[in-house]
Amino acid sequence: DSGVTQTPKHLITATGQRVTLRCSPRSGDLSVYWYQQSLDQGLQFLIQYYNGEERAKGNILERFSAQQFPDLHSELNLSSLELGDSALYFCASSRDRGNSPLHFGNGTRLTVT
Amino acid sequence: DQQVKQNSPSLSVQEGRISILNCDYTNSMFDYFLWYKKYPAEGPTFLISISSIKDKNEDGRFTVFLNKSAKHLSLHIVPSQPGDSAVYFCAAITNTGNQFYFGTGTSLTVIP
Repeated sequence: DSGVTQTPKHLITATGQRVTLRCSPRSGDLSVYWYQQSLDQGLQFLIQYYNGEERAKGNILERFSAQQFPDLHSELNLSSLELGDSALYFCASSRDRGNSPLHFGNGTRLTVT
Repeated sequence: DQQVKQNSPSLSVQEGRISILNCDYTNSMFDYFLWYKKYPAEGPTFLISISSIKDKNEDGRFTVFLNKSAKHLSLHIVPSQPGDSAVYFCAAITNTGNQFYFGTGTSLTVIP
C-alpha cells in the first residue's frame, strides 16, 4: 500500500460530460503529481502541485484543470470529455519537489463512451 | 519529445536467471533516476533509485547501473522470480526540475 488514495477506481461517462478525480497523498507528502496512461502508452505527465501551488505543467489539455486544497488532497477536473480521454489517470505524491521518489495511487480508469 | 526511452517493449527470462532491463535518456541534466514496477490494475511501485554521483546502487536482488557518458541506465534482477513478472518503467528528473520523465515501459515475463 503506497498510502496514496485515488477515487473513484472506475468511471464511465459519455462524451461532452465533466468528471472529477480525487487524490489523497501520503501523510506528510506536499507534492502531488497527475499522470495519464493511455492504452500501450507510457506515463504522460499532466501537472504538479506543491503545498497548494501549481509547480509544473506537462501535456495537460485546456479542458483539464487541477487544484490542491489546504489539506493537500488534489482534484483533477476533466471537462468536455472526448473518446480519446479514456485512460488510466494516476496520482502520485512525494515529500518535496526534488529528488525523492514518487509514490503512486492505484489509478482511476476513465472510460468515455 | 521522449527524453527517456525503453526500446524493448517486452522481455522473457527463465526463472533463476538474470533479467536486464535497459533505459536510455537524452537530457544530460538528469541527475536522479528511478525504476518502478507495475502490476496490472495497480499503480507503479517504486523499486530502486540512483543519483548521478553514483554508478551503481544495489538493493537485494535489484541493482541499478548508471553510465552517464552513454546516457544509459539498466536494472539487473538476479535471480529472477515469477513474481517479478510486471511492467518496469524507468524515470528521470533534473535537480532543478519538477517533472519526472518516464519511459514507455518494458514488460518482463519470468518463466517458471
